[in-house]
Amino acid sequence: EIVLTQSPATLSLSPGERATLSCRASQSVSSYLAWYQQKPGQAPRLLIYDASNRATGIPARFSGSGSGTDFTLTISSLEPEDFAVYYCQQRSNFGQGTRLEIK
Amino acid sequence: EVQLVESGGGLVQPGGSLRLSCSASGFTFSSYAMHWVRQAPGKGLEYVSAISSNGGSTYYADSVKGRFTISRDNSKNTLYLQMSSLRAEDTAVYYCVKDRGYCSSTSCYMDVWGKGTTVTVSS
Repeated sequence: EIVLTQSPATLSLSPGERATLSCRASQSVSSYLAWYQQKPGQAPRLLIYDASNRATGIPARFSGSGSGTDFTLTISSLEPEDFAVYYCQQRSNFGQGTRLEIK
Repeated sequence: EVQLVESGGGLVQPGGSLRLSCSASGFTFSSYAMHWVRQAPGKGLEYVSAISSNGGSTYYADSVKGRFTISRDNSKNTLYLQMSSLRAEDTAVYYCVKDRGYCSSTSCYMDVWGKGTTVTVSS
């Protein structure tokens, strides 16, 4: 089974700053990785699939990169609505999440 | 509008059973694999089960294998999750999720999520 490890567990930043979230797989997953955003009380939302493709309607400030075992979700300039929990996913495996909080 | 609406959650005693339903609309239900994902209170996401578009192939997480059964009725645009031998650790919000398409052994992505239904297993 593939284990996805996200870091950091919590990231404290201010609006306008750049956010970099990491997801590491225990073995190569090629580019088969997705990122989801979840706000309190809401269902998750697909942001990125195939490591770097933005889902429909996702703003350009969200970008994904990586392949093999190391992946990154970057938010270029944080908006107030971006503070949430982010999960990476590969097939039936989710990372434990990174909480992005306002500093 | 693509929509998924779960129902059937509630309070059940340990060892009991429950059937969740998910009514789909706004897309060709029979063309997409479907998933169930759960989230225990204050915890992260846990993948539960999946079913292919025609129902011929299913997948279960080890934590629910042998206790949960996923099924679908494409004539009714409805997904089901039959849960039995429920345990306290099954307490969670259960999300019905549409596959983005092209689900395979290497990649499945979930692009539409329902609001979830809450299952509480407690005596």
